[in-house]
Amino acid sequence: SYELTQPPSVSVSPGQTARITCSGDALPKKYAYWYQQKSGQAPVLVIYEDSKRPSGIPERFSGSSSGTMATLTISGAQVEDEADYYCYSTDSSGNHRSVVFGGGTKLTVL
Amino acid sequence: QVQLVESGGGVVQPGGSLRLSCAASGFTFSSYGMHWVRQAPGKGLEWVAFIRYDGSNKYYADSVKGRFTISRDNSKNTLYLQMNSLRAEDTAVYYCAKEVERFGEFYFDYWGQGTLVTVSS
Repeated sequence: SYELTQPPSVSVSPGQTARITCSGDALPKKYAYWYQQKSGQAPVLVIYEDSKRPSGIPERFSGSSSGTMATLTISGAQVEDEADYYCYSTDSSGNHRSVVFGGGTKLTVL
Repeated sequence: QVQLVESGGGVVQPGGSLRLSCAASGFTFSSYGMHWVRQAPGKGLEWVAFIRYDGSNKYYADSVKGRFTISRDNSKNTLYLQMNSLRAEDTAVYYCAKEVERFGEFYFDYWGQGTLVTVSS
């Protein structure tokens, strides 16, 4: 079955740039999406279609994708950005049976 | 504004049943596909099931196929998940999520707050 691989944890100091990666064989052909989940809360979409930012998401959040790797970048990370981040995509079939989430990356900002 | 409110979670014994509901508002519910996604305690997100906007297509994760049934009532703006033959490994927070379909791909733009299902004797 298709998998998206993320590092379990990333740690940065406030104001530094945090980069979270997501690798998957179908990413050259499929978009990557990123969700932020703070403790005890529902996931929130922060990046869609590799690099687009939904309304209300701070400009410090950006996304990119190259080859089999997508990257979420938080420029000037803030303490309030501490959360779990999940990438999402589908396999090359793109059908509704092929929904895949990465294992999640815990971002620590301290 | 879009709101998704889940209900129906609780504690159930192994082998038991539970029906979850997701009340939707703030958008034209009958025009969008809907999903259930779950999260076991301390674990990541796991997709559970999908239903097309008109209920004509339904898909399930292998882990729940044959035990769970997704349905919807567009007249009531409500999504359901009937869960039978529950197992300890079904213990999780269950989220309903609204789908957006663009450029032949789909993703989730809004999520409910979730409802906790605990399967335990």
